[in-house]
Amino acid sequence: EAAVTQSPRNKVAVTGGKVTLSCNQTNNHNNMYWYRQDTGHGLRLIHYSYGAGSTEKGDIPDGYKASRPSQENFSLILELATPSQTSVYFCASGDNRGSDYTFGSGTRLLVI
Amino acid sequence: SQWGEENLQALSIQEGEDVTMNCSYKTYTTVVQWYRQKSGKGPAQLILIRSNEREKRSGRLRATLDTSSQSSSLSITGTLATDTAVYFCATDMSGGNYKPTFGKGTSLVVHP
Repeated sequence: EAAVTQSPRNKVAVTGGKVTLSCNQTNNHNNMYWYRQDTGHGLRLIHYSYGAGSTEKGDIPDGYKASRPSQENFSLILELATPSQTSVYFCASGDNRGSDYTFGSGTRLLVI
Repeated sequence: SQWGEENLQALSIQEGEDVTMNCSYKTYTTVVQWYRQKSGKGPAQLILIRSNEREKRSGRLRATLDTSSQSSSLSITGTLATDTAVYFCATDMSGGNYKPTFGKGTSLVVHP
């Protein structure tokens, strides 16, 4: 079954440390996305990619980098984690027209 | 913001009742897509309705789109306790490769 898998499911990081969130999709979608979800803000787009080797800035990219080394994998990197980056992060993959758009189960990140 | 204030809603109903949720958006979109997010899970795609469509049905779900008033609705008939979730609408302003922008959602609680 086609799916989007995120790892880890939960992460505790220290302020100033580096954090990498991973996402793998078996949907064969060109597009992949990273969101964060916070109470009162809904889902906000951090970075997205339209194919292997490409990344684009979303609406709130500051403090985050992204990497798309292959069709299947899309990573979100926090080089210097801060407590304000404590959140739930979702990865999604989708086709070009939005007809098929699948989210992962999320990664809960706590930065202390 | 892409969204009108009426997107911030919380509804509480009894099982078996029908319910309608609304969202309004401020700028042009090619599609409106409705998602459901259950507690602790990622959002799941429900219905996608394109700008040239006025209505789309899927089982107990019915979505409408009025581009003249820039509003969309999602109706659920014969609700079940398992419909308890947060419901989001999303629009796409990209005009090309799908890049959804999400509203803040409506929290629906269906009491058994």
